[in-house]
This record gives sequence, C-alpha cells and structure tokens, in this order.
Amino acid sequence: NAGVTQTPKFQVLKTGQSMTLQCAQDMNHNSMYWYRQDPGMGLRLIYYSASEGTTDKGEVPNGYNVSRLNKREFSLRLESAAPSQTSVYFCASRRLTGKAAGNTIYFGEGSWLTVV
Amino acid sequence: AQSVTQLGSHVSVSEGALVLLRCNYSSSVPPYLFWYVQYPNQGLQLLLKYTTGATLVKGINGFEAEFKKSETSFHLTKPSAHMSDAAEYFCAALNQAGTALIFGKGTTLSVSS
Repeated sequence: NAGVTQTPKFQVLKTGQSMTLQCAQDMNHNSMYWYRQDPGMGLRLIYYSASEGTTDKGEVPNGYNVSRLNKREFSLRLESAAPSQTSVYFCASRRLTGKAAGNTIYFGEGSWLTVV
Repeated sequence: AQSVTQLGSHVSVSEGALVLLRCNYSSSVPPYLFWYVQYPNQGLQLLLKYTTGATLVKGINGFEAEFKKSETSFHLTKPSAHMSDAAEYFCAALNQAGTALIFGKGTTLSVSS
C-alpha cells in the first residue's frame, strides 16, 4: 500500500528554471494538498484541491501553479524558480473535505528542492 | 485569526523522563486537532487526533494528548521518553472551513541517555 507518492525526492534547480513536482495517491481520496516546510515555519499550505476538478489557493500560492490531473494525481509547478522557493514540499491527501470526524490527512515522504 | 502555537521550538529530556510538548490553538478554529511526528528526512506520521468524544486521546508509541477547551490547549505527553522519540513534532488544527490543516511551527524533541 503506497499511500501518497511524490517525485522527485531531490532536485536542484537554477534560478529561472521550471519544474513540476508530481504526486499520486492510491487511497481513492477526494482532497489533495501541497504544503511547503521551512525551518522554524512549520508547514504552510500552497494549494489544495477539495475534489477532482477544483483547486484553491492556500496561504503561500505565489510563484506556483497546480493541476489536478485526475482523482489520483495533483501536480505542483514552479514556472520560474527562485531561491526563496528552496524548501521541502509535501503532498497530502484526505478522503473528504469538511469537518467529518476521523478525516485524517496523509502525507507523502517529501520532495527536497534547492534553487541556486 | 486562526492559528496554532507550539511553545518551545526545542525540548530536551533524558531517557526515561516525562515528555511534555505544548500546543495552544486559537478559539476560532474548530476543535479538530492533530499531532504529527516527523523523523529526519521523512514525511509526517499521524501520532493522534482529537475530533469528538473523550478529551484524553491515546496515540501510537505511548503518546497521549488532552483536549482542554477552557485553556484552548492540546498538549502532548509521554510518561517515559525513549531515544527513538527524538524527532520533530507538529501540532495542527483543521481550519474554520474544514478544508485544510493549520500547523504550528514545530518542536524538536531531543532525548539524551
């Protein structure tokens, strides 16, 4: 049972380059998320997709775009990478959005991105 | 504003000592609260969660947390620390819309022998 799978795990980019982080979940979850983790900042929400066909901005969306390709896959794109986007990126998924009890969010293993 | 505050970015304990990691949440978030653990270079693993019912919640690896509405707190405890507990711990709350988690800044737990 793979859960939430992210690729690549490590990537070094030059300033101005573009790249896409891929995420797939095999739990038939409806909602998917992209967070970034920076030292001393905790995790901050970049974008989320409450269900297939919808996407919404989170706390720190600038410089990113997302695509909910289908129910399983949710990609994050950096169009023109900047050093400030050096971070660890986590994809996550959840069965349903809303306040349903027992509705845990499951995380992938993370993608370490360095922009030089 | 919706927020989660973890008191203490770094906590150090001796092996066998009590572990107490503090978390307070703003009263504007609904009472759906979570603790996650992150081991070095790994993703986040759910330790425990409070959604409804009993306010003392037991999780994996001997951890537990108590939801105290009057104090807007959800502190994490473990009676006896083990070396393998050394990790970063995150407290999180569901946002008001129920769409995503709001995280605290994290607490790094160090355990010495």
